[in-house]
Amino acid sequence: SQKIEQNSEALNIQEGKTATLTCNYTNYSPAYLQWYRQDPGRGPVFLLLIRENEKEKRKERLKVTFDTTLKQSLFHITASQPADSATYLCALGNTDKLIFGTGTRLQVFP
Amino acid sequence: NAGVTQTPKFRVLKTGQSMTLLCAQDMNHEYMYWYRQDPGMGLRLIHYSVGEGTTAKGEVPDGYNVSRLKKQNFLLGLESAAPSQTSVYFCASSFFDRASQPQHFGDGTRLSIL
Repeated sequence: SQKIEQNSEALNIQEGKTATLTCNYTNYSPAYLQWYRQDPGRGPVFLLLIRENEKEKRKERLKVTFDTTLKQSLFHITASQPADSATYLCALGNTDKLIFGTGTRLQVFP
Repeated sequence: NAGVTQTPKFRVLKTGQSMTLLCAQDMNHEYMYWYRQDPGMGLRLIHYSVGEGTTAKGEVPDGYNVSRLKKQNFLLGLESAAPSQTSVYFCASSFFDRASQPQHFGDGTRLSIL
């Protein structure tokens, strides 16, 4: 069955550094990959979507890569700020299905 | 813009009781979804709808029913609540299909079954 792996351990980094979160998947060939941010007690908020034929996508301080050979997506936040502290979820799928990972908690310290 | 609104935000039920969770969206989206989120597990799809009057089973549909009588509303029902249904329930919507468009989420209903 399809499996998505995100690092269950929290990622702690210092303000100003680049945070890199990883999303690995197996037994699946998704056409789309999405990243969401979730704050405690809130619903997920969409950040970025990347298609299988796109290697990289950027939005302000965010960058996502999608390597269909390695079956991996990397999510980067440059010049990180304490306000970036949250749980980040990756989700992948095709038009008829979207599967969510369990998320990685990012903590940015001043 | 309200986006996706869920009611209630919190609820405690006794085993065997029934209830309905309400979801409303004001973005004219065709697709709507109900997920549950449990510790250590990703969001799991319960049921979804691809348009007014349609519903379909997701990954974990047992013990739940849904209805989409109006395009903007999607209701999730628990007929006989069980402790295993203690969870946080999220409603979401999207313009069309499940993966090529962003999904917009509400802030969840925290449900405890005693």
